[in-house]
Amino acid sequence: GAVVSQHPSRVICKSGTSVKIECRSLDFQATTMFWYRQFPKQSLMLMATSNEGSKATYEQGVEKDKFLINHASLTLSTLTVTSAHPEDSSFYICSAKGPRGTYEQYFGPGTRLTVT
Amino acid sequence: GENVEQHPSTLSVQEGDSAVIKCTYSDSASNYFPWYKQELGKRPQLIIDIRSNVGEKKDQRIAVTLNKTAKHFSLHITETQPEDSAVYFCAATGGTSYGKLTFGQGTILTVHP
Repeated sequence: GAVVSQHPSRVICKSGTSVKIECRSLDFQATTMFWYRQFPKQSLMLMATSNEGSKATYEQGVEKDKFLINHASLTLSTLTVTSAHPEDSSFYICSAKGPRGTYEQYFGPGTRLTVT
Repeated sequence: GENVEQHPSTLSVQEGDSAVIKCTYSDSASNYFPWYKQELGKRPQLIIDIRSNVGEKKDQRIAVTLNKTAKHFSLHITETQPEDSAVYFCAATGGTSYGKLTFGQGTILTVHP
């Protein structure tokens, strides 16, 4: 149980275009999901907290108009990178928080974004 | 907010030796401390976690210790194997962080056969 999927696993896009990444909890309902960015040989940096039915909460320094997050249902959160630039190239990972009262997070397999 | 420091950044051991990775945290309200193993291009995998009401937890070759007073926790891997080679991250959450994990910088562990 507690499986989280991400789609796509890899995407290459041109500068100026937008890319949408989906994060799904397959066998449980996730009221809270998190989006992380990981640059090569670096740690995971939290970008935002996605709550079902409400606006996402962004970490300091993360542009909310560039990284649009929508948590439309209890099993789906999406991250849209708008007007992508080469510096947005990174590994994006989502996670879903476990049932209320637990702290454990279940990670998706990640999406490798390359902006050319 | 929470700040987690992790050391060492790289660790090289011979197969069969033990490996120890240490982390310190800043928020005394943190009460959940997971450790993750991440292989290149893959998702982080939870390998062990500990809550603040426990001082030590063990699962086969892996153990975690927590010192709440000093605000540090450590990962111990015994009888290391080449397949233990990966990047290991510690993290902390709890209190007013609403479940948000703050990660350490990571440790690249290499186990030589």
